[in-house]
Amino acid sequence: DTGVSQDPRHKITKRGQNVTFRCDPISEHNRLYWYRQTLGQGPEFLTYFQNEAQLEKSRLLSDRFSAERPKGSFSTLEIQRTEQGDSAMYLCASSLGSGEHYGYTFGSGTRLTVV
Amino acid sequence: DAKTTQPNSMESNEEEPVHLPCNHSTISGTDYIHWYRQLPSQGPEYVIHGLTSNVNNRMASLAIAEDRKSSTLILHRATLRDAAVYYCIPSTSGTYKYIFGTGTRLKVLA
Repeated sequence: DTGVSQDPRHKITKRGQNVTFRCDPISEHNRLYWYRQTLGQGPEFLTYFQNEAQLEKSRLLSDRFSAERPKGSFSTLEIQRTEQGDSAMYLCASSLGSGEHYGYTFGSGTRLTVV
Repeated sequence: DAKTTQPNSMESNEEEPVHLPCNHSTISGTDYIHWYRQLPSQGPEYVIHGLTSNVNNRMASLAIAEDRKSSTLILHRATLRDAAVYYCIPSTSGTYKYIFGTGTRLKVLA
């Protein structure tokens, strides 16, 4: 297992375009999380899946954001009509259960730049 | 959610021990204390976690104060690869999300 994979690593897009990011978690992990991180700040929670069910969305996740995890495997995060304020690192993490014993495993992130 | 206070930055010499403090005075009795670190251009990486007693693993040790209002992450011999931002995160057992602060940026001097 190579850990949590995120694709692409970098994305530059023009304001108003739609973008989609993909996350492939560790295969046996049933929980998947998306976080956003801006420069100099810690990651901020966006949303969480247990298997295929999206159980919580942060108020940070406006209606331009949507996340899916079909069949409880990989996940996608889509941002519609991107704005310059969406520029950030988008991090995906997965865990087996609540992660108490082995923690969460994070991917290396997708860095989004909106120009 | 418990609030945390960590120094913005710390420096250490290579091969010397490093003690990274964290205050979490509002922690509840069932909150675990997790530590993660984030190397440049990487996602956060799990380091260690504990509830009441001190914990050791191959990466670090975690010393938890008796009143649980503070904890210290101990790197026994800092290496250049330990240069990272270290986050202290209290979280309730079974919780599904972490609340990250701004962490401590550790600089290791050769």
